[in-house]
Amino acid sequence: DIQMTQSPSSLSASVGDRVTITCQASQVINTHLNWYQQKPGKPPKLLIYDASNLEPGVPSRFSGSGSGTHFTFTISSLQPEDIATYYCQKSDNLPFTFGPGTTVDFK
Amino acid sequence: EEQLVQSGGGLVQPGGSLRLSCAASGFNFHTYAMSWIRQAPGKGLEWVAGIRSSGEGASYTDSVKGRFTISRDNSKNTLFLRMNSLRGEDTALYFCAKDVAGRLRGGFDIWGQGTRVAVSS
Repeated sequence: DIQMTQSPSSLSASVGDRVTITCQASQVINTHLNWYQQKPGKPPKLLIYDASNLEPGVPSRFSGSGSGTHFTFTISSLQPEDIATYYCQKSDNLPFTFGPGTTVDFK
Repeated sequence: EEQLVQSGGGLVQPGGSLRLSCAASGFNFHTYAMSWIRQAPGKGLEWVAGIRSSGEGASYTDSVKGRFTISRDNSKNTLFLRMNSLRGEDTALYFCAKDVAGRLRGGFDIWGQGTRVAVSS
């Protein structure tokens, strides 16, 4: 099975900072990569699908890029409500493996 | 409003069984594939099982094959997960999730609220 890794595992930033998370697949998955946000006690929320497409209703400060095995998720200007754990997830084939997550909190 | 409301779950002894349910509303349930995804305490997300819109083509992660069965009743807009031979490592918060397509496409845009399963003697 294809393995997914994320870095960093956690980060601290200030309001207004640009935040970048990377996700790597152990094999090529083209652009079959989604990003989710999960806040404590809540289910995950789909933010980005197919590597770079913003889910309707998601603020434009969130963006994604990449293809093949290397992907990037960016928050252009961190807001207080963005404190959460972010997961990448491959969607090329079964099983739909998630990355281990990146926890974003305030510095 | 598109919504998934979960029920079932609870505390069960090792080797026991449980059935989870997930009732859909606000969208054409029979049009979309559905999955179960779990999260062990303090851990990340793990896709467990998925089923096509038609109810055919069920798929499972290796660790639950032969023990868990995913099914759906499109006439009642409800998804199920039957879990047998439960083990301690099955302890988790279980989410049902709507896929973005009728086949298992792997983009989950609507999630249930989660239901806890605890396997312990």
